[in-house]
Amino acid sequence: NAGVTQTPKFRVLKTGQSMTLLCAQDMNHEYMYWYRQDPGMGLRLIHYSVGEGTTAKGEVPDGYNVSRLKKQNFLLGLESAAPSQTSVYFCASSPLSRGVYNEQFFGPGTRLTVL
Amino acid sequence: QQQVKQSPQSLIVQKGGISIINCAYENTAFDYFPWYQQFPGKGPALLIAIRPDVSEKKEGRFTISFNKSAKQFSLHIMDSQPGDSATYFCAASRGQFYFGTGTSLTVIP
Repeated sequence: NAGVTQTPKFRVLKTGQSMTLLCAQDMNHEYMYWYRQDPGMGLRLIHYSVGEGTTAKGEVPDGYNVSRLKKQNFLLGLESAAPSQTSVYFCASSPLSRGVYNEQFFGPGTRLTVL
Repeated sequence: QQQVKQSPQSLIVQKGGISIINCAYENTAFDYFPWYQQFPGKGPALLIAIRPDVSEKKEGRFTISFNKSAKQFSLHIMDSQPGDSATYFCAASRGQFYFGTGTSLTVIP
């Protein structure tokens, strides 16, 4: 049981390049989330998904797109990377039990640098 | 606009002492208040959580105190140990999760 895994762990991009971050969970959780973590800013929600085929915007969605084609995977895309997107990205998942929010399980993070 | 305000930014405590971290929120619709612990290079992990129908929750050395009327909640770490040295985040949720800016705790032997 690997929990939440993220690929890649590190990446360096040039401004204008695109990339996709992959998140996978093997806990059969309904909810999945993408956050970014910046010094002094805490964790900020980018996008989230309440189930396969559904996504919604979070606090800071601009410049990112997401897709959830399979329940266990949640992809975060950067179409044209900018230096402001240099950050550590965390994926998380959580179960939904009787409509009540539950613990979020976080992945190990992806450190992205945009030059 | 920061939905959850957390203080202090950093905290140094002697081994065996009490660590206290405070958070405040504005949105009275929030109904789930977790605390997460994060070690360097790792993702956050749930430490303890509370819902607004109780004023206190204790799990081992960790206690959440919740003041609904003041819209504040705090984490108390009793008998702090060097292994507790980490960054702690509070959060509030009603669907979406809003995190505080984090507190870096250092427990010195």
